[in-house]
Amino acid sequence: NAGVMQNPRHLVRRRGQEARLRCSPMKGHSHVYWYRQLPEEGLKFMVYLQKENIIDESGMPKERFSAEFPKEGPSILRIQQVVRGDSAAYFCASSTDRTGSGNTIYFGEGSWLTVV
Amino acid sequence: AQSVTQLGSHVSVSEGALVLLRCNYSSSVPPYLFWYVQYPNQGLQLLLKYTSAATLVKGINGFEAEFKKSETSFHLTKPSAHMSDAAEYFCAVIQGGKLIFGQGTELSVKP
Repeated sequence: NAGVMQNPRHLVRRRGQEARLRCSPMKGHSHVYWYRQLPEEGLKFMVYLQKENIIDESGMPKERFSAEFPKEGPSILRIQQVVRGDSAAYFCASSTDRTGSGNTIYFGEGSWLTVV
Repeated sequence: AQSVTQLGSHVSVSEGALVLLRCNYSSSVPPYLFWYVQYPNQGLQLLLKYTSAATLVKGINGFEAEFKKSETSFHLTKPSAHMSDAAEYFCAVIQGGKLIFGQGTELSVKP
């Protein structure tokens, strides 16, 4: 049973380019979450999605960042016109349904974005 | 709104010594609480979770945590530290269907 799969694991982009991070949730999981971990900082929630729906995007920067979880295929976190401050580890997580009942959220290995 | 606070950004213990990582929560309703561990350049692995079934929760790798409502705490402990326990540990609470993390505590284990 494969876990949460993220790719690429490492991505280098020049300032102004676009970064696309992909996440395939665990089998049977319909809820996806994206978190960002900046150097020497904790994990910050970005966005929570279900298939074809954004449930909570309260942690997403207002500009340049977007996320989707289409009916078919992986969830995508897209960062347009990257800047050096976007350099961070981006983690995807998934769960079976809403975590109100304490269902476990499982994390992927992360995608490390470096902006040069 | 629920939140968690981890006391101490860095804890250092000797191999074989007791590990105690502190986490306090703020919640107006019974919380769901989690401890995750992150090894360098890796993702997060669930150590244990509290979902109100039992106040003493046993997790993987010999870790356990006790939910204390009177102290609003959910501290993580391990009787005897091992070198392989060196990592970053995060306490988290569910809020609005998503995990909200504390700032993390880096655990160092000295030989």
